[in-house]
Amino acid sequence: QVQLVQSGAEVRAPGASVQVSCKASGYTFTGYYVHWVRQAPGQGLEYLGWFNPSSGDSYFAQKFQGRVTMNRDTSITSAFMELSRLRSDDTAVYFCARVKRGSYSIFDYWGQGTLVTVSS
Amino acid sequence: QSVLTQPPSESGTPGQRVTISCSGSSSNIGSNAVNWYQQLPGAAPKLLIYSNNQRPSGVPDRFSGSKSGTSASLAISGLQSEDEADYYCAAWDDSLNGVVFGGGTRLTVL
Repeated sequence: QVQLVQSGAEVRAPGASVQVSCKASGYTFTGYYVHWVRQAPGQGLEYLGWFNPSSGDSYFAQKFQGRVTMNRDTSITSAFMELSRLRSDDTAVYFCARVKRGSYSIFDYWGQGTLVTVSS
Repeated sequence: QSVLTQPPSESGTPGQRVTISCSGSSSNIGSNAVNWYQQLPGAAPKLLIYSNNQRPSGVPDRFSGSKSGTSASLAISGLQSEDEADYYCAAWDDSLNGVVFGGGTRLTVL
């Protein structure tokens, strides 16, 4: 069965960087785009961007351009999202999500989420 | 501020029918399909409705979606206590080249 399993919770100081991993199983990793979404405590869903595990192409929402990078390691079927120059308002649960085949935006499977806490 | 607009809360009694609205613009809902996600407390979102009105396997037919112009709605009939959750609409936005979400609607079953 399709699964996306994310790395564990992280605590970082302001100004630091954090990398979240998303390990895919149960399907052909390079055949489906991966998107990243975050949710601040008590808030709604916020879109970060998408990543093509086959080509390595990516796109980031304007708000995050210059601070976020996405890549993958196909040998371990994992996607990675790194956010740099962290601020307190980056404290959130970060989700990876797979896009349904043939779609741009239907997130049919989600990771369990990774809590990133930014605190001094 | 979210690109798509949803009411922050809705409520209903068991057995009742409730609807949740989602308003956007020509660059998102007006030109692309709408998807809905259900998020139970402490869990990841789950795909509830896709392509405006399609249900993934396993989603009860009590849930239905529709779209007209730049607005969409999610309807839940025969409301049950387990439907108490946050609901989010989402769509691709041609101007932003990414997905936009509504702010979410918290559904309370009284």
